[in-house]
Amino acid sequence: NAGVTQTPKFQVLKTGQSMTLQCAQDMNHNSMYWYRQDPGMGLRLIYYSASEGTTDKGEVPNGYNVSRLNKREFSLRLESAAPSQTSVYFCASSDRTGGPYGYTFGSGTRLTVV
Amino acid sequence: AQSVTQPDIHITVSEGASLELRCNYSYGATPYLFWYVQSPGQGLQLLLKYFSGDTLVQGIKGFEAEFKRSQSSFNLRKPSVHWSDAAEYFCAVVWAGSYQLTFGKGTKLSVIP
Repeated sequence: NAGVTQTPKFQVLKTGQSMTLQCAQDMNHNSMYWYRQDPGMGLRLIYYSASEGTTDKGEVPNGYNVSRLNKREFSLRLESAAPSQTSVYFCASSDRTGGPYGYTFGSGTRLTVV
Repeated sequence: AQSVTQPDIHITVSEGASLELRCNYSYGATPYLFWYVQSPGQGLQLLLKYFSGDTLVQGIKGFEAEFKRSQSSFNLRKPSVHWSDAAEYFCAVVWAGSYQLTFGKGTKLSVIP
């Protein structure tokens, strides 16, 4: 099925460990995004990639790095995980700027840092 | 900074009652507006969106929303709520030329049988 695929779906890390969240889309979209969701905060943009080869900071980029590996794939890396990064992470994609084209979201990665 | 406000954190309604969830956004360039719903532990499902044209838009599951430019609002409505509508609802806005979809903090809807 066409869409945005995120891996893994669940992960538990110890403080200080590193990991990479993977995201891939098969809709030939140009733009990709990483959001985090915390209770009472809605979704906040971490990083985005407007097109292959470019990345930009969003609202809450500290503690994260991203790589736009190719047009399909956009990964999010936590170099040294902290408990404050416990969250649900969503990847999304859109064809150019999101409006008026809309966004497609993945099903999320639930990350716990202990 | 541009922002989206959902004034109600939690709303409780009886099954069969009408529903209105409020959403206001800060003034800026042309807004493109979305409503998403999220059940516990699930991902986001798009209910409806407004890009242009008729300011009253129909969505899935019997929801509708009305764009009022003069009030910078995009309120979500449903004439008769079902128990299965219990979930969290998010309003989101992207302004023309921007890549960033900005979300409100969400409104949790509880439905009393």
